[in-house]
Amino acid sequence: KAGVTQTPRYLIKTRGQQVTLSCSPISGHRSVSWYQQTPGQGLQFLFEYFSETQRNKGNFPGRFSGRQFSNSRSEMNVSTLELGDSALYLCASARSGQRETQYFGPGTRLLVL
Amino acid sequence: AQRVTQPEKLLSVFKGAPVELKCNYSYSGSPELFWYVQYSRQRLQLLLRHISRESIKGFTADLNKGETSFHLKKPFAQEEDSAMYYCALNSGYSTLTFGKGTMLLVSP
Repeated sequence: KAGVTQTPRYLIKTRGQQVTLSCSPISGHRSVSWYQQTPGQGLQFLFEYFSETQRNKGNFPGRFSGRQFSNSRSEMNVSTLELGDSALYLCASARSGQRETQYFGPGTRLLVL
Repeated sequence: AQRVTQPEKLLSVFKGAPVELKCNYSYSGSPELFWYVQYSRQRLQLLLRHISRESIKGFTADLNKGETSFHLKKPFAQEEDSAMYYCALNSGYSTLTFGKGTMLLVSP
């Protein structure tokens, strides 16, 4: 079974721009979660989607948003990029998200200049 | 609010030595705890979860609700165990709260 895939793997943007990251979950998984990983803050939860609905959201500003499509693929968007948004963005999928094991993708590394 | 604490940033041991990676949590409900591992240049992957009570790659972890701990143990470390280890708490719908991680270095 193919694992979680994320595209693109690397991105370089400048301050003020916006960016969209994509995540394809494992086939049959309907829950997709997003995390931000930085050296200083570690891994932090951004939001989780299930059946196209956001069920949970972490403590991030409104510039961070996401959505999920009917095929469970998910995108996250960051608008008005700041230098501090430079991070590895990880996507994880689970069958239903009811306290199940999450399987992680390789991540998208975003560098904001 | 939930919190996961991994007090050691780095743990360095010799091959064959016992290993214990500490994890303490703070959560008002019934916790579900995981250990994830990240080997060099690989994605984050599940090592074990407390509910399954499995032993994976020789690692075990017991949930101690009284001490709110979920320490990861292995009796004899191997060089291939060198990696970053994260303790995580699932507090709801696929919402993992991670500790800051412990880098385990196993020297020959």
